Amino acid sequence: GAGVSQTPSNKVTEKGKYVELRCDPISGHTALYWYRQSLGQGPEFLIYFQGTGAADDSGLPNDRFFAVRPEGSVSTLKIQRTERGDSAVYLCASSPRGGMSYEQYFGPGTRLTVT
Amino acid sequence: GENVEQHPSTLSVQEGDSAVIKCTYSDSASNYFPWYKQELGKGPQLIIDIRSNVGEKKDQRIAVTLNKTAKHFSLHITETQPEDSAVYFCAASIANDMRFGAGTRLTVKP
Repeated sequence: GAGVSQTPSNKVTEKGKYVELRCDPISGHTALYWYRQSLGQGPEFLIYFQGTGAADDSGLPNDRFFAVRPEGSVSTLKIQRTERGDSAVYLCASSPRGGMSYEQYFGPGTRLTVT
Repeated sequence: GENVEQHPSTLSVQEGDSAVIKCTYSDSASNYFPWYKQELGKGPQLIIDIRSNVGEKKDQRIAVTLNKTAKHFSLHITETQPEDSAVYFCAASIANDMRFGAGTRLTVKP
């Protein structure tokens, strides 16, 4: 079946602009995760949804970052007043079970570049 | 919180040789240890995982070992092939917290 998909694959924006990154999880997966991956590093946890609610948002770096999952499927990561330091690959993953102790299936990521 | 260290950062082997990547973790309560393979321009792909109640797990050419006392776990790839070339990440998780290592770039030379 279809895997996790993310759009856009690449996004270039100017400093100070607002961006939205979209994630379509595997159908039927109740858990959804957002990570940020900087060059040469492993993924860094941002936020985790179980259904429609954010079960853990402790990884969001500041209040410029926000994510929603209104119907328990598609999720959108929103970044306000982008800064050059926000440049990274943003990865989404989904899992048939919640928490962090089960297999996660990753999408290809969105490469965000803030100029 | 959990801290995961991964070694080596780069590894080059000849096709057919074995490759070993090692990770250590800091939180003794961590109970799930996945390994991911990431190819250029793609997201990480789960290749094998192990839970804290198991010492070793094998899947064809890939095996993972866990030493809870020493808080380290390792990925073993036997009979390496050029298509094994990628960046490999280990991770350790507890409850709602998963931490990844910095990655190992494996190159398999034909």
